[in-house]
Amino acid sequence: DAKTTQPTSMDCAEGRAANLPCNHSTISGNEYVYWYRQIHSQGPQYIIHGLKNNETNEMASLIITEDRKSSTLILPHATLRDTAVYYCIVRVRGSQGNLIFGKGTKLSVKP
Amino acid sequence: NAGVMQNPRHLVRRRGQEARLRCSPMKGHSHVYWYRQLPEEGLKFMVYLQKENIIDESGMPKERFSAEFPKEGPSILRIQQVVRGDSAAYFCASSPPGQSSRDTQYFGPGTRLTVL
Repeated sequence: DAKTTQPTSMDCAEGRAANLPCNHSTISGNEYVYWYRQIHSQGPQYIIHGLKNNETNEMASLIITEDRKSSTLILPHATLRDTAVYYCIVRVRGSQGNLIFGKGTKLSVKP
Repeated sequence: NAGVMQNPRHLVRRRGQEARLRCSPMKGHSHVYWYRQLPEEGLKFMVYLQKENIIDESGMPKERFSAEFPKEGPSILRIQQVVRGDSAAYFCASSPPGQSSRDTQYFGPGTRLTVL
């Protein structure tokens, strides 16, 4: 699986959009980008995934650059409950077994 | 449809005792994964099981740790002769059958093991 690089921490004002970047410059053609988050003391939660097209669901939007070397997770209207560590994971879809969690980005949403 | 269930949520053991952690996957899910999160660290994969089979145990410590997922009943992560360094949060995740579904794993609330 390709390596990912994320900022250690970010702040966001409540009600504003939170834009979390992820660099994956060594991504290969068959690798997808997945986002999970872990709210303090809870198990991780799947958010969204994509290959090359932008994706949106009820939780977030995922914007992947045309060269696929980076992506941005967007929480359109961040709330205090979105304070969590956000993990960007790159892997071949359907590959066997475990997810590899890096250090992620600690997002703090402030009132 | 209940989510992934883990019990106990908190477990305290003295050094040398055994710890048994249970995980009931979501209904219809046949893949189970165990992860460990040491204090102030990220999640680390331990083992991946399907019913009655261990598929990948590359993250399991070589000694004292074992896992099973029997035909009937929950998956069990067993730690024998616990040491202080085993104190951590242990998370179980499950995914439905199907190759591509392994990428979307549903996590339980975790079991927090404290070794005195």
